[in-house]
Amino acid sequence: QSVLTQPPSVSGAPGQRVTISCTGSSSNIGAGYHVHWYQQLPGTAPKLLIYGNTIRPSRVPDRFSGSKSGTSASLAIAGLQAEDEADYYCQSYDSSLSGYVVFGGGTKLTVL
Amino acid sequence: QVYLQESGPGLVKPSETLSLTCTVSGGSVTSGTYYWTWIRQPPGKGLEWIGSISYSGSTNYNPSLKSRVTISVDTSKNQFSLKLRSVTAADTAVYYCARASSDPLDYWGQGTLVTVSS
Repeated sequence: QSVLTQPPSVSGAPGQRVTISCTGSSSNIGAGYHVHWYQQLPGTAPKLLIYGNTIRPSRVPDRFSGSKSGTSASLAIAGLQAEDEADYYCQSYDSSLSGYVVFGGGTKLTVL
Repeated sequence: QVYLQESGPGLVKPSETLSLTCTVSGGSVTSGTYYWTWIRQPPGKGLEWIGSISYSGSTNYNPSLKSRVTISVDTSKNQFSLKLRSVTAADTAVYYCARASSDPLDYWGQGTLVTVSS
């Protein structure tokens, strides 16, 4: 099982807003480490979507937003589009195991 | 723009050593601000961090793999490499190399599938 917990799947109709949660603990997200989000389109490598909890690279549409509170973080996608159908992963660091990189298990977003 | 490209055998026999190289272009592995990283993804499953190395050779490994993994950097070739010893079928995965920019993994290679089978 993954150190960070994500729902296995979420879905929404085009134009709707969906959120994906990422739950950690006091040794990772709750310890103040940043949360990053990656989008993996089918058959491709993951791409950085959100970094530093809330920051979007310039190429990422502002429909994507991130937030963090306590031991959890969330990715929100507004105005869903068919091209958003992908797997999404959260990532942080964990101080209980020498500060190593930890991922969530991934969430499959289906656009209905 | 930074590009990373994985290379190495696509098939490895059980108990042998998996060896992959990542060639970096558009940037230098000698930059002091980055950690060069290996990640893998078993078929149909999620991402697993394997380990990271700085240009100076400082390494950090996933504790679950630490006894079998070595990551090294070759500054003369602008490459870094992964060796995973005593592989089993459970090590079958797409292996990605990536650059960690202080914190997030901002550039990734396209990935290479390595199958462990006799």
